[in-house]
Amino acid sequence: AQSVTQLDSHVSVSEGTPVLLRCNYSSSYSPSLFWYVQHPNKGLQLLLKYTSAATLVKGINGFEAEFKKSETSFHLTKPSAHMSDAAEYFCVVGGADGLTFGKGTHLIIQP
Amino acid sequence: DAGVTQSPTHLIKTRGQHVTLRCSPISGHKSVSWYQQVLGQGPQFIFQYYEKEERGRGNFPDRFSARQFPNYSSELNVNALLLGDSALYLCASSLVKVFGRYNEQFFGPGTRLTVL
Repeated sequence: AQSVTQLDSHVSVSEGTPVLLRCNYSSSYSPSLFWYVQHPNKGLQLLLKYTSAATLVKGINGFEAEFKKSETSFHLTKPSAHMSDAAEYFCVVGGADGLTFGKGTHLIIQP
Repeated sequence: DAGVTQSPTHLIKTRGQHVTLRCSPISGHKSVSWYQQVLGQGPQFIFQYYEKEERGRGNFPDRFSARQFPNYSSELNVNALLLGDSALYLCASSLVKVFGRYNEQFFGPGTRLTVL
């Protein structure tokens, strides 16, 4: 069985400050991990994916995530938030049970 | 290139009715998956189809069924609709049949189903 826990339902940051969205996972196998973003009334867009080639994964729009096996974590970061980053973010683990999504973190950007 | 397309975009039904949702994958993608996203929650996996065969099923009742056609498009059917079936139904396509380390799924915009 696989599961994902997103530790914060809402995160609020000021524009230009760093973003940290936290995610812990559980998987019986070596996991496939993803972060997706969902803007209002838009479809889900893949931000980045963990492919085991490197523990630090770079994605689109300046986002990064670090895979830490010892902590079973896959936190999403961005050095400087932009107003357009305001959206819902989902941490996802892939496996035999399909893609399992976390409950999401709502990112709010304060001007 | 066209992305994943879904129809209709919105749908209103009453309890007890049935509904059919449609999905066309990205050209060349042979795997289609369906997800239900209830308001305020993350998407939940319903089905995966590959080469017209069911390859995975989530924890949903038998009222939910799906099929995949020779052109790899797919339909999701829900019978005896309940109020709790109101949700955004997402379709995703991918190149491969299993969820491996390098797979990614491309999502359509979804169909918003409201059950009254």
